[in-house]
Amino acid sequence: AQSVTQPDIHITVSEGASLELRCNYSYGATPYLFWYVQSPGQGLQLLLKYFSGDTLVQGIKGFEAEFKRSQSSFNLRKPSVHWSDAAEYFCAVGNRDSSYKLIFGSGTRLLVRP
Amino acid sequence: SQTIHQWPATLVQPVGSPLSLECTVEGTSNPNLYWYRQAAGRGLQLLFYSVGIGQISSEVPQNLSASRPQDRQFILSSKKLLLSDSGFYLCAWRTGAYNEQFFGPGTRLTVL
Repeated sequence: AQSVTQPDIHITVSEGASLELRCNYSYGATPYLFWYVQSPGQGLQLLLKYFSGDTLVQGIKGFEAEFKRSQSSFNLRKPSVHWSDAAEYFCAVGNRDSSYKLIFGSGTRLLVRP
Repeated sequence: SQTIHQWPATLVQPVGSPLSLECTVEGTSNPNLYWYRQAAGRGLQLLFYSVGIGQISSEVPQNLSASRPQDRQFILSSKKLLLSDSGFYLCAWRTGAYNEQFFGPGTRLTVL
């Protein structure tokens, strides 16, 4: 069965420090992979996506993620965190059938210290 | 450009009362539509999805139902709400041009 694991429930970083959020997935084939961000009380905004090709993908707000097939991982990174990055981050794997369903991880809440 | 609307934004309902949440998409046609629920401090759980008018797939057995009376309208309903139905309900869409889903602003439902 498909699944997504985000092992870190909370992460706290200082403003200006680098960030890495972990995501591991279980999927029978090459998946579609996504990172979404959610501010409190809001919907989800797509940060970046991977479908095929270059395994390092760039997204909005200075985020990037790297697909590593051998590790079944799709970790999200940012070289320098801003206070406005404080939010909840969700990794998701997408079906490659007609449903295009997404399976989400449980999320990682990012706190930014001034 | 495409936009997605959900209403109401917030709702407080007593246990046993009915529910109707509405989602509409503008600027696209024949989208896939999705309903998710997010319980407090939890991830997103897919409840229903639809690939066309009148076509509903249920992911989780429960006292909720969904309908798609028009191409760009998706409705989540219940005849009798339970306390456990409280949560943040999100609607999303995608079309053939994209593989990602785009989310609406959500409805906060509190069942008392």
